[in-house]
Amino acid sequence: DAGVTQSPTHLIKTRGQQVTLRCSPKSGHDTVSWYQQALGQGPQFIFQYYEEEERQRGNFPDRFSGHQFPNYSSELNVNALLLGDSALYLCASSLGLAGDSYNEQFFGPGTRLTVL
Amino acid sequence: LAKTTQPISMDSYEGQEVNITCSHNNIATNDYITWYQQFPSQGPRFIIQGYKTKVTNEVASLFIPADRKSSTLSLPRVSLSDTAVYYCLVGALASNDYKLSFGAGTTVTVRA
Repeated sequence: DAGVTQSPTHLIKTRGQQVTLRCSPKSGHDTVSWYQQALGQGPQFIFQYYEEEERQRGNFPDRFSGHQFPNYSSELNVNALLLGDSALYLCASSLGLAGDSYNEQFFGPGTRLTVL
Repeated sequence: LAKTTQPISMDSYEGQEVNITCSHNNIATNDYITWYQQFPSQGPRFIIQGYKTKVTNEVASLFIPADRKSSTLSLPRVSLSDTAVYYCLVGALASNDYKLSFGAGTTVTVRA
């Protein structure tokens, strides 16, 4: 059973460019969340997708956008890249939003983005 | 969103028990307490989750007092491979205010 997979592993871009990161959730999961982790800090929540819609969003500008496909995979797009966007971008999958309990998130290995 | 406070770092030796306490004074009724472990250049990995009292699994125990304003992750008999950053999170995925973010975490260093 494949866990959460992300591509690419590493990416180098220059300021002003656009980037697309991809994530495939764990088998059976239908919810995908994206996080940004700067060096030495904890992951910060960007947004979450469920049923192909953005359900929750953290404190990130509109330059960060996403998409979820019918097969539950997801993309994170970042436009007009800034030096400060350099970070490890993590994707996490979980099962649904229903119920009262917290649903465990499974994280992928991340994509290391460097903006020069 | 409940804010969490953890020690920045802790040192230990192989075979010892490590206890990490997390403060979350404004935890909400629907919030669960979850701990993750992260190794360098990897995504966080779920360790344990609880709502109240004590939870134990094959790798850790989680102690939550009655007021739920803090919690303690206990790692029994640590080894060198337990050297990692440990994050305490408070939140409820099903909550309308779900914006789960990690704090700075606690860097645990296990020495031989």
